[in-house]
Amino acid sequence: DSGVTQTPKHLITATGQRVTLRCSPRSGDLSVYWYQQSLDQGLQFLIQYYNGEERAKGNILERFSAQQFPDLHSELNLSSLELGDSALYFCASSLGRLASTDTQYFGPGTRLTVL
Amino acid sequence: GQQVMQIPQYQHVQEGEDFTTYCNSSTTLSNIQWYKQRPGGHPVFLIQLVKSGEVKKQKRLTFQFGEAKKNSSLHITATQTTDVGTYFCAGPLFSQGTNDYKLSFGAGTTVTVRA
Repeated sequence: DSGVTQTPKHLITATGQRVTLRCSPRSGDLSVYWYQQSLDQGLQFLIQYYNGEERAKGNILERFSAQQFPDLHSELNLSSLELGDSALYFCASSLGRLASTDTQYFGPGTRLTVL
Repeated sequence: GQQVMQIPQYQHVQEGEDFTTYCNSSTTLSNIQWYKQRPGGHPVFLIQLVKSGEVKKQKRLTFQFGEAKKNSSLHITATQTTDVGTYFCAGPLFSQGTNDYKLSFGAGTTVTVRA
């Protein structure tokens, strides 16, 4: 158990809908990262927040947005969902703000299926 | 563009045999990290290598960072069924869009073991 929690575990929805994925980092960790893992794209970095502020952006679509709240939990919002958005979404956390050197601890993931 | 590449994509190993997975970067890395993801699980941090030519061992796993800090390898001896999973290397790559580093994961080597 990494100490990172994610809800829900599974999510099934239809195209065009909007969903929110939630992540609580390990106690004491200030950074939260979001990743998308699909069969053909591997583990793709989406976005990082550090202590409430956006720190780094990866290949995140404009239809996706995220935020980190004062209690450090984070939410990833996915809108206008398409079939291709079906994937595993992982949240990870780390103590500091440096994605380049900090060890990241991954949550169990949310499996999103868009029908 | 900059990327981290891994080979092979799949490795089928007879129990008891050794194998090696390789990671290559198009640019010099400040460090390299290795993660393992068991089937149905989430990535779990294994190790970080920082120094040129560094070699670290964890029981039957030997990790190496190349002299030029552009490649790395993971060698597993006497493979066991507990070694099944996907092994990812990850290195910090500079993102001009955000003027910061992000951790870029290789596509992973998925290991299956024949008993």
